[in-house]
Amino acid sequence: QAVLTQPSSLSASPGASASLTCTLRSGINIGTYNIYWFQQKPGSPPQCLLRYRSDSDKQQGSGVPSRFSGSKDASANAGILLISGLQSDDEADYYCMIWHNSAWVFGGGTKLTVL
Amino acid sequence: QVQLVQSGAEVKKPGASVKVSCKASGYTFTSYDINWVRQATGQGLEWMGWMNPNSYNVGYAQKFQGRVTMTRDPSISTAYMELSSLTSEDTAVYYCARNIVNSGWFDSWGQGTLITVSS
Repeated sequence: QAVLTQPSSLSASPGASASLTCTLRSGINIGTYNIYWFQQKPGSPPQCLLRYRSDSDKQQGSGVPSRFSGSKDASANAGILLISGLQSDDEADYYCMIWHNSAWVFGGGTKLTVL
Repeated sequence: QVQLVQSGAEVKKPGASVKVSCKASGYTFTSYDINWVRQATGQGLEWMGWMNPNSYNVGYAQKFQGRVTMTRDPSISTAYMELSSLTSEDTAVYYCARNIVNSGWFDSWGQGTLITVSS
């Protein structure tokens, strides 16, 4: 079972909100992990959006709109990237990442379609 | 401005090695780690390892242990990633990315280098 699991795709309408999940493997407690979120558009390298550990310990990327925010759902053992007020330009692949067992680990990515 | 400029695309035969370079500018090269991440066509991101250009400490993903070597030349602010014993499974775009030491904040990425392994 992968360390980080993301749904492969998600669709949402312009103006709506999208909640992208990043679920940690059973046995790995999300509690103290920093969750990093990246956005990648076709033909371009990823861009780091934000880091989320807790409401009091988070970081937004330079120039990243506040429409992008992070959170955790402890009951689901998952990190969440919430994108509000969806725009067509938000259509991209989104990856989560954590530091686990002395390695950076990426989730498989979620392709977000805005239609 | 911060820039990471990678070497150009290459085609390699199975069993060969490849060495990709990543030239940094716009910041103090030794103040940030350099990571290498690859992405096969249509697939997700895969972290390969990191290197601290100052201490020369390295850390490799278990999958690539014994097959990857990350080096640097601080005099020209350039990091290198060499991957040996190539197979078709290594066909991918390889990215370098800098991050603040002990942080996952990969705030600047190279443009990517396509490595194609084909007989």
